[in-house]
Amino acid sequence: DAGVIQSPRHEVTEMGQEVTLRCKPISGHNSLFWYRQTMMRGLELLIYFNNNVPIDDSGMPEDRFSAKMPNASFSTLKIQPSEPRDSAVYFCASSLWAGDISPLHFGNGTRLTVT
Amino acid sequence: AQTVTQSQPEMSVQEAETVTLSCTYDTSESDYYLFWYKQPPSRQMILVIRQEAYKQQNATENRFSVNFQKAAKSFSLKISDSQLGDAAMYFCAYRSTGPGSNYKLTFGKGTLLTVNP
Repeated sequence: DAGVIQSPRHEVTEMGQEVTLRCKPISGHNSLFWYRQTMMRGLELLIYFNNNVPIDDSGMPEDRFSAKMPNASFSTLKIQPSEPRDSAVYFCASSLWAGDISPLHFGNGTRLTVT
Repeated sequence: AQTVTQSQPEMSVQEAETVTLSCTYDTSESDYYLFWYKQPPSRQMILVIRQEAYKQQNATENRFSVNFQKAAKSFSLKISDSQLGDAAMYFCAYRSTGPGSNYKLTFGKGTLLTVNP
């Protein structure tokens, strides 16, 4: 079990550029979550998927953010165009199922810096 | 919406001593799950312990235990025999389970624990 794999680990980009963050969940997990962590706001849920279907995207801050899960083993979070206030650590997490006590397994996060 | 409050932004403890981290939450639900996660400087989020609200018995994982007070909506974490490797940011988290809930995991703002040798 390789755990949740996120790439890249660090991303530095200029304002206005498109940014794509990638996530491979643990095999067999049915739920996938994208979180954003900042000093000011802590850990915020952006969106989560069950069986590749987006269930709750109410945390996505703006239309500039979009997330997809084309299959059970891959998800992307895209920001277009990026802004300096998007600078944060973005975590992907997966769990067996969203509705029980199975814990979230987190990736190592992507630290995004937008200049 | 559920909220999770960790009133101690920072705590410190001497190695081998015991420390308790506080967490309270606000909910109208009767069934839910509670978690403590640890985030060391490596940034990795690691599950420490979990508790089902319907269970009265407090969860225990080796040196880590919780004091779950459902009526008071309190879920504190006790770390016994603290070790240098316990130094990290600790997050309390709440997950809804009821009908119509979105199973969202809501985190507190965290408590930074320092372990002094």
